[in-house]
Amino acid sequence: KAGVTQTPRYLIKTRGQQVTLSCSPISGHRSVSWYQQTPGQGLQFLFEYFSETQRNKGNFPGRFSGRQFSNSRSEMNVSTLELGDSALYLCASSLGGLASYNEQFFGPGTRLTVL
Amino acid sequence: DQQVKQNSPSLSVQEGRISILNCDYTNSMFDYFLWYKKYPAEGPTFLISISSIKDKNEDGRFTVFLNKSAKHLSLHIVPSQPGDSAVYFCAASASRYKLSFGAGTTVTVRA
Repeated sequence: KAGVTQTPRYLIKTRGQQVTLSCSPISGHRSVSWYQQTPGQGLQFLFEYFSETQRNKGNFPGRFSGRQFSNSRSEMNVSTLELGDSALYLCASSLGGLASYNEQFFGPGTRLTVL
Repeated sequence: DQQVKQNSPSLSVQEGRISILNCDYTNSMFDYFLWYKKYPAEGPTFLISISSIKDKNEDGRFTVFLNKSAKHLSLHIVPSQPGDSAVYFCAASASRYKLSFGAGTTVTVRA
């Protein structure tokens, strides 16, 4: 089975621009979660999508948004980029059921640098 | 508000010795705990987990201990190997689809 893929792997943008990151989950996985990793902060939860619906959201400003398509692929968008948005953005997929914990499988991440 | 804390940013251990990584949490609703390992330029990979109904879970060289009363968990790696050099993240879940992560501990295994 192919793993979680994220594109692009690296991105350089300037302040004020907007960016869209893409995540393709493992085949059969219906849940996609997004995390931001910065030095010293660990991974901060952004949001989670299941069956094209946002099911949970972290404490990030409205500039961060996402969506999920019918094939479970997900995109994350950040508008009006700020220097502090420079980070590694990780996507994780899981089966998504609620009956028990479903292991999350992470992609390699997209390294975003805002200049 | 950091609900999961890893207070040691780094750990250096000699090959063959035990590595002990610690993690504290504040949210009493957490009922599932995990450890992830991350190499540079790769996403985190699942290592081991423990449910709140247990106090120990073992998988090969890796053992996780949970002390609910102290809201503390630890990961023991015995014996440590050079390939164990990586960043280790502690994570906890109160729901089935959101993980709260610690800041990570960088482990260096010396030959």
